[in-house]
Amino acid sequence: GAGVSQSPRYKVAKRGQDVALRCDPISGHVSLFWYQQALGQGPEFLTYFQNEAQLDKSGLPSDRFFAERPEGSVSTLKIQRTQQEDSAVYLCASSFAGGAGGGIYFGEGSWLTVV
Amino acid sequence: GQNIDQPTEMTATEGAIVQINCTYQTSGFNGLFWYQQHAGEAPTFLSYNVLDGLEEKGRFSSFLSRSKGYSYLLLKELQMKDSASYLCAVRVDNAGNMLTFGGGTRLMVKP
Repeated sequence: GAGVSQSPRYKVAKRGQDVALRCDPISGHVSLFWYQQALGQGPEFLTYFQNEAQLDKSGLPSDRFFAERPEGSVSTLKIQRTQQEDSAVYLCASSFAGGAGGGIYFGEGSWLTVV
Repeated sequence: GQNIDQPTEMTATEGAIVQINCTYQTSGFNGLFWYQQHAGEAPTFLSYNVLDGLEEKGRFSSFLSRSKGYSYLLLKELQMKDSASYLCAVRVDNAGNMLTFGGGTRLMVKP
């Protein structure tokens, strides 16, 4: 596709419900990132994939958060037993591997509200 | 870890020039990025600096001093549509293209 596509765009979940957020990166992009952005804050790193390998998951806030990218393209971020503090925008970004400046593209995010 | 600081909010007048500063402390520095983010939208790339000096791109310029851990984004001939958050982000070695972001600077452009 033309850009990074995320779905759903908006999600309201009841506390305790599980949610799954999808990211479809730009075709051919090897690297994929998930960020969490609270209102009025900068994005915070959650996890990073290179192809299907999850190279860094140090930013995942708890074991309720899980991400996968089984075929090295589409990725899913799953949050189990959601809590109110999980309310945020979840941004996905993709890039080619390597150091070219500026080649990191963000999706519009999935807005999660936990009630 | 990385520590990135930028002002929380700034206000400027249409047609004027504004400078948004960013300071950082990091090891293994491998580039500094500026992104623009309008409310409810994706961050969009503005500039990238890895060497000291000024990079100019139309109305926007970005400056980097690696020795001082300092960057600024300069916006000239401000327009109302420039009202947005401006995010400073640092990339480090051995982390692929993972970026660490500052908290963002919300710029309000007034007529």
